[in-house]
Amino acid sequence: NAGVTQTPKFQVLKTGQSMTLQCAQDMNHEYMSWYRQDPGMGLRLIHYSVGAGITDQGEVPNGYNVSRSTTEDFPLRLLSAAPSQTSVYFCATLRSLAGLGTGELFFGEGSRLTVL
Amino acid sequence: AQSVSQHNHHVILSEAASLELGCNYSYGGTVNLFWYVQYPGQHLQLLLKYFSGDPLVKGIKGFEAEFIKSKFSFNLRKPSVQWSDTAEYFCAVNYGGSQGNLIFGKGTKLSVKP
Repeated sequence: NAGVTQTPKFQVLKTGQSMTLQCAQDMNHEYMSWYRQDPGMGLRLIHYSVGAGITDQGEVPNGYNVSRSTTEDFPLRLLSAAPSQTSVYFCATLRSLAGLGTGELFFGEGSRLTVL
Repeated sequence: AQSVSQHNHHVILSEAASLELGCNYSYGGTVNLFWYVQYPGQHLQLLLKYFSGDPLVKGIKGFEAEFIKSKFSFNLRKPSVQWSDTAEYFCAVNYGGSQGNLIFGKGTKLSVKP
C-alpha cells in the first residue's frame, strides 16, 4: 500500500499563479486534512474533511480552497499564490479509534512550495 | 485559544545522554496527546500517544512520555540518546471530539553528537 501520496514534491510559482496540490490515500480513511509547516511555527491546520462531500476550515484557511468528491482524494488549491504561502504542505489521514473521537494521523511525504 | 508550548527550540546532546523535552498545553477539557518525530527530509511519524489509562506511555525506539494532568504537561523522555535520534520533535494535542484536528507545538530540534 502507498498510504498517503502527495504530488508534486516540489513546485515554484510566481505571485498570482494558481495551482493544485494533490493528495491521495489508499487506506479508506474518512478524515483527511492539510497542514502547512513553517520554520519555528510547527504545523498549522489549513482545511480538513470528515468524509466525501464535507469540508471545513482549520486555523489558517485564507488563500486556500479544498474539495472532497471521493474518499481517496483531497486536493488543495491555491487560487492566487502569494509569497506568504511559501511553505511545506503535508496531507494527513486519520485512522480513527472507536469511542475516542480521534486516532492516529498518517502523513504524506510533503510538498515544498516556493512562491516568488 | 488552545495552544501547545514546547520549551526548547534546539537541544544539543552527546550520545548516551538522557533526554527530556517539555510540552505544556492549555486547558480545554478532555485531551488526547501525541509526540511526532520528523527525521531530516522526511514526513512526520507517530512516536507515541496518550488517550487514557496509565499516564506513563511507551513509544517506539525507547521513547516514553508522562502525562501529568495537574501540570497540563506531556514531557518526552529517553534514557540514552543515539545519533540516529537527531530529528525534530513535535508535541501535539487533540481536544476531545475534534477527530484529527491537532494543535502542534512549534517543535524542538534535537541534535545528537556522535
